[in-house]
Amino acid sequence: ETGVTQSPTHLIKTRGQQVTLRCSSQSGHNTVSWYQQALGQGPQFIFQYYREEENGRGNFPPRFSGLQFPNYSSELNVNALELDDSALYLCASSWASGGATDTQYFGPGTRLTVL
Amino acid sequence: QKEVEQNSGPLSVPEGAIASLNCTYSDRGSQSFFWYRQYSGKSPELIMFIYSNGDKEDGRFTAQLNKASQYVSLLIRDSQPSDSATYLCAVTDSGGSNYKLTFGKGTLLTVNP
Repeated sequence: ETGVTQSPTHLIKTRGQQVTLRCSSQSGHNTVSWYQQALGQGPQFIFQYYREEENGRGNFPPRFSGLQFPNYSSELNVNALELDDSALYLCASSWASGGATDTQYFGPGTRLTVL
Repeated sequence: QKEVEQNSGPLSVPEGAIASLNCTYSDRGSQSFFWYRQYSGKSPELIMFIYSNGDKEDGRFTAQLNKASQYVSLLIRDSQPSDSATYLCAVTDSGGSNYKLTFGKGTLLTVNP
């Protein structure tokens, strides 16, 4: 157990809807990264939040957005859901100082299905 | 496009054998290298990280890094059926902020009793 929690565990949405996924980081960690893992693929970096600001972003459209709160928990929001958004969404927690990130520990993930 | 390549597998070994998992990466400036294990339907679990050239051992696991060849490997000694999982190689980006992990597609390992 990493101490990283995510909610909900599973979610079913229809195309065009919006979804919010939540993550609580491990105690002592100040950075949260989000990844998307399609079936049979490795996780793909969406973005990272450090001190409540976006610290880097992968190749995902603007309809993927996020927040980090003062307690270092985070949300991932996806608007205008598409069928290809169906995936396992992973949150990873780490300690970062000055932009360099230490080892990332993953939460259990949220399985999103878009119909 | 920075890439991480892993042998496609699946890799099948008998119980007690050594399993060898390989990974190459394209970003010559990458600084940190990680191996994660992922059981079916679960999230990735950190096994080891390595920063310096050479070998790093932790129990039955040994990570090997060769930055000149842009190659990292994971050896699992005395493989057990419980080691059956997908093994993901991950590499940080070079540059001032090594925040992003780039993953390979993973190698599926099956350890046969």
